[in-house]
Amino acid sequence: EVQLVESGGGLAQPGGSLRLSCAASAFTSSSSWMHWVRQAPGKGLEWVSGIDRDGSQTIYADSVKGRFIISRDGVDNTVYLQMNSLTGEDTAVYYCARELGSFDYWGQGSLVTVSS
Amino acid sequence: QAGLTQPPSVSEGLRQTATLACTGDGNNVGDQGATWLQQHRGHPPKLLTYRNDSRPSGISERFSASRSGNTASLTISGLQPEDEADYYCSAWDRSLHAWVFGGGTTLTVL
Repeated sequence: EVQLVESGGGLAQPGGSLRLSCAASAFTSSSSWMHWVRQAPGKGLEWVSGIDRDGSQTIYADSVKGRFIISRDGVDNTVYLQMNSLTGEDTAVYYCARELGSFDYWGQGSLVTVSS
Repeated sequence: QAGLTQPPSVSEGLRQTATLACTGDGNNVGDQGATWLQQHRGHPPKLLTYRNDSRPSGISERFSASRSGNTASLTISGLQPEDEADYYCSAWDRSLHAWVFGGGTTLTVL
């Protein structure tokens, strides 16, 4: 069964950094685009970033462009999201999702809280 | 980045039919269609329909999707208590070169 497991969330100070990981199992993450989608408390879903099969193409929402970096490790079957210059507006549950034209598998999410 | 438009809430009676709408434009919904996701409180989203309106394995036939122009629709027939959830549409926007989501519709089964 396809599984996506996020880790690395927690508390960060404004201006600080965190790195999220998404470990994939039962499929090769390099066979599909992988994305990060976030959900602020009580709010809707917001697409954050995506990376193509071999990591050669990355895309970002305007709200995180220049601050977040998505990457992938084909050997470890893991996708990462390096988050820098964090602000309170980045507080959210961050989901990792597989995309094959649709977001068909999602992880359980990792909570990121930005607060002093 | 602009998103898709969904009504914030819809209410329908038990065993009735609910139709949820998602409006975009020719660069997203009107271009390649939309997908629909269901999210119960405290849980991650779950895919209900693909962009071609078909359903993944295991999704009830009570859920059906369609599209007319720039508006996508999700119809849920024979409403059950467990259908109470938030429903999101999403689509690839070729102009923004980004994925966009609707704001979500909270479905209440009366």
